[in-house]
Amino acid sequence: DTGVSQDPRHKITKRGQNVTFRCDPISEHNRLYWYRQTLGQGPEFLTYFQNEAQLEKSRLLSDRFSAERPKGSFSTLEIQRTEQGDSAMYLCASSSTSRDTDTQYFGPGTRLTVL
Amino acid sequence: SQQGEEDPQALSIQEGENATMNCSYKTSINNLQWYRQNSGRGLVHLILIRSNEREKHSGRLRVTLDTSKKSSSLLITASRAADTASYFCATDRGYSGAGSYQLTFGKGTKLSVIP
Repeated sequence: DTGVSQDPRHKITKRGQNVTFRCDPISEHNRLYWYRQTLGQGPEFLTYFQNEAQLEKSRLLSDRFSAERPKGSFSTLEIQRTEQGDSAMYLCASSSTSRDTDTQYFGPGTRLTVL
Repeated sequence: SQQGEEDPQALSIQEGENATMNCSYKTSINNLQWYRQNSGRGLVHLILIRSNEREKHSGRLRVTLDTSKKSSSLLITASRAADTASYFCATDRGYSGAGSYQLTFGKGTKLSVIP
C-alpha cells in the first residue's frame, strides 16, 4: 500500500529563489490538498484540487504561490521569489470522494528553509 | 486561521496512565478528526467522528463529541512511550457524503509519555 509521497523532503534555498515541490497522492484518490505548517502551529489549508480542477484557494496563497495538478494525478506547488517567512513544512494530503470519503491522508511533508 | 484550540498545550504522563486531550472549535462542522504527528514528520490519521455521533472507539483511543458545546476529547488509555507525539484535532466543514472539503486544525497538544 503506497501512501502519499512528497519530494523533496527537505529544501534549503536563498531568499529570492524559486522552489517547486511535488506531491504524489494515493493512486485512486481524486482530491489533493496542500497545507502549510509553521513551528508550534497546526497545519493551515492552502488549496485543494478535485481531479485537475483547483476548487479552493486560501488567502494564505499569495500571488507568489502557484499549484497545479495537470493530469489529475501528481501535483506541484511552486513558490516564486521566496521570502524568509515562507520557511515552513509544506504538507500534501489526498482523499477520495467515493471511498472513505471524509478522511485525508497526509504525506511526510517538505521542510523548506529560506536563508 | 485556527478553528480549534486544544487543551492542554502540553501533557506529561507516566507509561501506563491515561491521557486526555480536549479540543474546542467555533463553527458548525460535518466531522472532527484527530491526527498524530511525531516530531518533524507528517500527520497520521487516528480517528474520525461525525457530527451526528457522540462517541467512538478505536483500539486504545476513545473520542467524544459534544456539538452543543463545540468540543471534543481524545482519551488514550494505557499509554506507551511510543505514544509520545503531538496530537491535533481538525474540523471539516464539508457536506456528508460529498467528500472532505478542507480541514481546520488547532495548535495541538504535545504529549510526553515517560517510560
